[in-house]
Amino acid sequence: AQSVTQPDIHITVSEGASLELRCNYSYGATPYLFWYVQSPGQGLQLLLKYFSGDTLVQGIKGFEAEFKRSQSSFNLRKPSVHWSDAAEYFCAVANLLNTGTASKLTFGTGTRLQVTL
Amino acid sequence: NAGVMQNPRHLVRRRGQEARLRCSPMKGHSHVYWYRQLPEEGLKFMVYLQKENIIDESGMPKERFSAEFPKEGPSILRIQQVVRGDSAAYFCASSPPSGGSSYNEQFFGPGTRLTVL
Repeated sequence: AQSVTQPDIHITVSEGASLELRCNYSYGATPYLFWYVQSPGQGLQLLLKYFSGDTLVQGIKGFEAEFKRSQSSFNLRKPSVHWSDAAEYFCAVANLLNTGTASKLTFGTGTRLQVTL
Repeated sequence: NAGVMQNPRHLVRRRGQEARLRCSPMKGHSHVYWYRQLPEEGLKFMVYLQKENIIDESGMPKERFSAEFPKEGPSILRIQQVVRGDSAAYFCASSPPSGGSSYNEQFFGPGTRLTVL
């Protein structure tokens, strides 16, 4: 069964500093990987996704992530954090049905980002 | 195009009562997913439905929980005889028909926060 590990429960960075959130996955085939952001009391918004091709993917709000098959990682990065980036971030992998269509998502436990001014 | 709608946003029930959570997918979407988020945890998949069919209910507790997505109307997640451990945020996501694509993005609703007294 697939799984996602986010080793950092809570991270604090200063505004303007760079950010890297770690994500490791366990999946037998080529994974479909995602990063979502959740603001307090809100639903999830998709930041970016990786299916295939270029291993460095760009997302919204200046975020990017790099897929590294050898390390089973899909870390999220941002060069300069803004105070509005404070939120909870979830990494996820999609399960594939027998038809080859992706279905349910398996999420990590999340990383809570705090931004200090 | 309105996003995924969930109601109620907040629901309070006493132990032993029934909880009904509704999810209206985005227009044109025929796939619905339900996820549960316990406090301080990530989202856990519960059930995946298409119109009038349950595709995958591997994450659904065997007792007291049921889900449906009728031909007309919203998807309903029903929890009978609620217990305190059912207190959580329940998120619905919808996606369009696959149309031959291997993956279609899941769009999340704002969630229903269930509190069991």
